[in-house]
Amino acid sequence: EAGVTQFPSHSVIEKGQTVTLRCDPISGHDNLYWYRRVMGKEIKFLLHFVKESKQDESGMPNNRFLAERTGGTYSTLKVQPAELEDSGVYFCASSQLTGSSYNSPLHFGNGTRLTVT
Amino acid sequence: AQSVTQLDSQVPVFEEAPVELRCNYSSSVSVYLFWYVQYPNQGLQLLLKYLSGSTLVKGINGFEAEFNKSQTSFHLRKPSVHISDTAEYFCASGGSNYKLTFGKGTLLTVNP
Repeated sequence: EAGVTQFPSHSVIEKGQTVTLRCDPISGHDNLYWYRRVMGKEIKFLLHFVKESKQDESGMPNNRFLAERTGGTYSTLKVQPAELEDSGVYFCASSQLTGSSYNSPLHFGNGTRLTVT
Repeated sequence: AQSVTQLDSQVPVFEEAPVELRCNYSSSVSVYLFWYVQYPNQGLQLLLKYLSGSTLVKGINGFEAEFNKSQTSFHLRKPSVHISDTAEYFCASGGSNYKLTFGKGTLLTVNP
């Protein structure tokens, strides 16, 4: 099966511009997560979709970040306008929806490295 | 709130030597613990997880970890490392679903 795919792999934009990151989860995975790793810091949870619904968006840093998952398939994460502190690696991950949370393994994409200059 | 501390940011070792990567967690509720590995230019892969039961957990690639509730630790060990084990290792905890709290990561470098 194809893994979690993220586009683009790298993005370099200027402060104030807009960037949209895309994540294609594994087919049939209803759970979709976004995580971010800022340089030198921990990987941090951003939000969790179950199908097309936002289950938990408590990790979103501010209202410059907008995540969508129309139709419950792929997801996009838009940053508008981008700031310098948004630089980092954005990971997407997906898992099947099962009765017990950890029965289905979490599959990560390779990440999108975002650099804001 | 949960927190995870990885005590070593970098661990250099020689090939075929044993290694231990340290991880401590703090949580006031039931905790689920994970170790992930990230090879260069790749996503995170699960090495092993502790959900309940036996405190000694065996994972892929010869790694194992021991859950120690009294010391709130979940150290990762391998008796003999290979060059191919060079990667960054992340300890993580989770309370419900995969809303994980990660440590800062430990870069393991295996030298010939």
